[in-house]
Formats: sequence, C-alpha cells, structure tokens
Amino acid sequence: DGGITQSPKYLFRKEGQNVTLSCEQNLNHDAMYWYRQDPGQGLRLIYYSQIVNDFQKGDIAEGYSVSREKKESFPLTVTSAQKNPTAFYLCASIAVGSGNTIYFGEGSWLTVV
Amino acid sequence: AQSVTQLGSHVSVSEGALVLLRCNYSSSVPPYLFWYVQYPNQGLQLLLKYTTGATLVKGINGFEAEFKKSETSFHLTKPSAHMSDAAEYFCAAGGGNKLTFGTGTQLKVEL
Repeated sequence: DGGITQSPKYLFRKEGQNVTLSCEQNLNHDAMYWYRQDPGQGLRLIYYSQIVNDFQKGDIAEGYSVSREKKESFPLTVTSAQKNPTAFYLCASIAVGSGNTIYFGEGSWLTVV
Repeated sequence: AQSVTQLGSHVSVSEGALVLLRCNYSSSVPPYLFWYVQYPNQGLQLLLKYTTGATLVKGINGFEAEFKKSETSFHLTKPSAHMSDAAEYFCAAGGGNKLTFGTGTQLKVEL
C-alpha cells in the first residue's frame, strides 16, 4: 500500500544528543514536510522540501536540520540546539497539482530524558 | 499571511446530537480548505476538502462542510454524533503548496 512511514514511533533523547527521525513515502509525491505538534498549539511547520536537494525553513526551524537526497526520503534531525524538543512530530507529503491535499504519516513521539 | 481560527478548543456533544465545529480563515483570495481528524497518537486523516465548485462538500464518516465566502468560514457538521467521532479536528487553509492549520478542536461525545 502507498503511504508515508515514520520511524521510530517512540524515541527518547538524552540532553545534548542529536537524534534523527525517519520519513519515507512511496506515493511519488514531490513535496515533503515536517510539522511539530504540541498540545493546544496545533501544527507548526519546521521544514519543507519541494524537490530533491532543496529545502526551506518553516516557522520553527531553529534547532532542526533536514536533507532531501532522494524523492522518497526526508529525514529530520533534532539537534542539541533545540531547547525543548519533546513533542509529536509529523511528516507529510503532497503531490503538486493534487488540489494541495497533504497526506500524513503516523507520527513520532520524541521525549527528552 | 494566511491564518485559520477554530472557535472552541473543546466541544462536547451527546451521542446522536448535531456536531458543529467552526473554522474561519483570513484571506482575500479563497484558498483551498481542508478538515482533518486526528485520533490519539496517530497522524492526521483527511475528512474533506474544498477546492473549487460546489460549496457544500461531503466527506468521510458522514461529515460535511460548507464554504461561505462572504463569512470566510468553512464549518464542519455531522447530523448525528457517534462515540467513534471523539477525536481532535483540524481545519487548514492553503495556497501554493503550504498549509496553515488551526489550533484544533477536541470533540468529546457523551452517552
């Protein structure tokens, strides 16, 4: 089945560590996104990529980094510079010209311990 | 910049009652409009979307929404709530290939 796969579902990070969240899609979508979700704040855009080897900062990019070496993959690294990384992270993708419908993965919980 | 406002962070209805979740957007140009549902610890699932054409949009699970340009609104309704409708609902508006989300409405369905 086509879809977006995020892994791991649950991840624990120690203070000062970098961690990487994986996002893979087999929908042949051009654009991919990372959102952060905190209770009562909705979704906030971290980074997005419209094509391979190109990505743009979203509203809350500080402390995060991404890469887009392949169309199917858009990993997110939460660096030690992110002061409050505990959150639910959602990866999404969209096919250009599809009426802008975004499809989401199942999300990853990151907790700092 | 586009903004989306969802009135009421929590809405409670009785099973069988009408569900009404409110969404207003700010844009001089009607954007694409969406409603998503999120169950605990899961991603967002598309309920319905408005792009062009008919202003009353029907979605999955018996939900529908009406685009009202004069009111810049896109409220979500369901005639009869079911226990399985309990979830968080997000309204979103977009142009280009970026979406702006509202802060969500938690729907509680009581017996």
